[in-house]
Amino acid sequence: NAGVTQTPKFQVLKTGQSMTLQCAQDMNHEYMSWYRQDPGMGLRLIHYSVGAGITDQGEVPNGYNVSRSTTEDFPLRLLSAAPSQTSVYFCASSYKAFPSGNTIYFGEGSWLTVV
Amino acid sequence: SQQGEEDPQALSIQEGENATMNCSYKTSINNLQWYRQNSGRGLVHLILIRSNEREKHSGRLRVTLDTSKKSSSLLITASRAADTASYFCATVYEGGGNKLTFGTGTQLKVEL
Repeated sequence: NAGVTQTPKFQVLKTGQSMTLQCAQDMNHEYMSWYRQDPGMGLRLIHYSVGAGITDQGEVPNGYNVSRSTTEDFPLRLLSAAPSQTSVYFCASSYKAFPSGNTIYFGEGSWLTVV
Repeated sequence: SQQGEEDPQALSIQEGENATMNCSYKTSINNLQWYRQNSGRGLVHLILIRSNEREKHSGRLRVTLDTSKKSSSLLITASRAADTASYFCATVYEGGGNKLTFGTGTQLKVEL
């Protein structure tokens, strides 16, 4: 199993450009999520999905869109990048949703710089 | 924000010593988890403790949970240089739906 795979690893964008961060998991996990990590801020939840066709907002959803057309994939879209979106982005998945006590598996991160 | 707060923010110890990190949170939880993040890498799950548990062990790790104080601690015994990393607590709040909320982390440095 590859686990949770994120691409690209590094990306530089100009303000106003759009891009998609890809996330795929091969563990048949129902739950997938996107976090951003900024210095001194810990990880903040952007969007999450509890299954194909279902998405919901996290703590910091503004400026980001997601979709979940398949169980395996959960892309994160930046429609018009802003310097405030410079961050490290992590995709994570879990077999079931959290209240049941399942642990979460993280990808290796995508470093995004918006200039 | 319902983030937890880790304490201390940074910790430097000698190899062989014990390292203790604390996490405080704000509202009732279903469970609390601890994760490790090596520099430039993703987070790795270490241990999960449920709200009705008070202590759990996993190898050199010991986690305690005090729901009356809304706090948890992670103890790493006989630390090694390879334990150098950032450690985060994460909680699933009662009524928080399917959201795992992370604290700001403790940076641990274990020196030879």
